[in-house]
Amino acid sequence: DVKVTQSSRYLVKRTGEKVFLECVQDMDHENMFWYRQDPGLGLRLIYFSYDVKMKEKGDIPEGYSVSREKKERFSLILESASTNQTSMYLCASSFGTEGYNEQFFGPGTRLTVL
Amino acid sequence: GQNIDQPTEMTATEGAIVQINCTYQTSGFNGLFWYQQHAGEAPTFLSYNVLDGLEEKGRFSSFLSRSKGYSYLLLKELQMKDSASYLCAVMDSNYQLIWGAGTKLIIKP
Repeated sequence: DVKVTQSSRYLVKRTGEKVFLECVQDMDHENMFWYRQDPGLGLRLIYFSYDVKMKEKGDIPEGYSVSREKKERFSLILESASTNQTSMYLCASSFGTEGYNEQFFGPGTRLTVL
Repeated sequence: GQNIDQPTEMTATEGAIVQINCTYQTSGFNGLFWYQQHAGEAPTFLSYNVLDGLEEKGRFSSFLSRSKGYSYLLLKELQMKDSASYLCAVMDSNYQLIWGAGTKLIIKP
């Protein structure tokens, strides 16, 4: 079974704090993704990575950075958390990118920034 | 711009059939995905269509018309556990997934 795990299910941080969200997949997938999900909006892509040490900006990268030092691990960093970053954060991985390549999702981290 | 439209919420009765529609306008098309997401949980894959027509998988079927930019997910013999959000996503010409906001399906006994 494909497994994608995220470091926390719930997180509460204060404005200005640096926040790390960790994601690990055990399927040797090439591709990893970070999304945020807000009510009434579709999943929005923050960053993705097609290979170790490689990263690409998604649709809403402002205020975020990522790190992929190992194939199985993809970290999302909020450099200085703000209240508008309160959201559900979902990590996903996939074997390839073209055609039928379903993305497997982690359970999500619900982040609240006070 | 790129756009995926699906109804915000639908209600159906246990044992009945429901059809959830998805229309899309994207730069290119490399397939359409349907995912199921129970409240507080991760989305899970349901179906993938890249050619026109109907794909059947048990109680769930998905239809695609590329010329109309249209898909639907058909759920038969509804069960209470089918209460969830259903997400439509299109893979565009850059192989990026564009996501709809999701349709919340409420099943009543």
